[in-house]
Amino acid sequence: EPEVTQTPSHQVTQMGQEVILRCVPISNHLYFYWYRQILGQKVEFLVSFYNNEISEKSEIFDDQFSVERPDGSNFTLKIRSTKLEDSAMYFCASSGSGSNGYTFGSGTRLTVV
Amino acid sequence: KNEVEQSPQNLTAQEGEFITINCSYSVGISALHWLQQHPGGGIVSLFMLSSGKKKHGRLIATINIQEKHSSLHITASHPRDSAVYICAVRGMNSGGSNYKLTFGKGTLLTVNP
Repeated sequence: EPEVTQTPSHQVTQMGQEVILRCVPISNHLYFYWYRQILGQKVEFLVSFYNNEISEKSEIFDDQFSVERPDGSNFTLKIRSTKLEDSAMYFCASSGSGSNGYTFGSGTRLTVV
Repeated sequence: KNEVEQSPQNLTAQEGEFITINCSYSVGISALHWLQQHPGGGIVSLFMLSSGKKKHGRLIATINIQEKHSSLHITASHPRDSAVYICAVRGMNSGGSNYKLTFGKGTLLTVNP
């Protein structure tokens, strides 16, 4: 069964450092998303991406965040200057049209120290 | 903004029991997803519903659009069903270029042998 692959599974970074979280969505999917889940809280939407541009972003997705699809297969989330409160599990997801086949990756646990 | 409420928050059952988890939402939707998350783990999609009922093995999901309510049932529960079950909805005004989901807080199910 097709999978969404996320790397790394865990990342520890110093406050103020840049991090890049990587995702390989399902190959024939057209819609890509990043979500995050702070420990003990519900999953929150960060950003959606379609046709090589951001289609919607949440209030959380401020100027410190950016997304790219650099080569037609990878989908990355960059946090420019990490804060302690960015510590969370970050999930990448992809879907076909009508949210068919909505598939989540296994997540990257980001710890900012 | 759609509010997604799940009940109960925690549920403990004995192996073999019939389980029901409920989800209510405040604003009309175009689709509802039931997801499963194991502790510290990734998110797996169980069902996507826009009307009626779906069944997969021992899992049954129903939705009542008029009542803005969905239920997830597990028949003949087993310890391996222990996980967090999450309801997530896609709004009526999304689609086209965005199928973002709004999540409930999840129901922690523990099935004891």
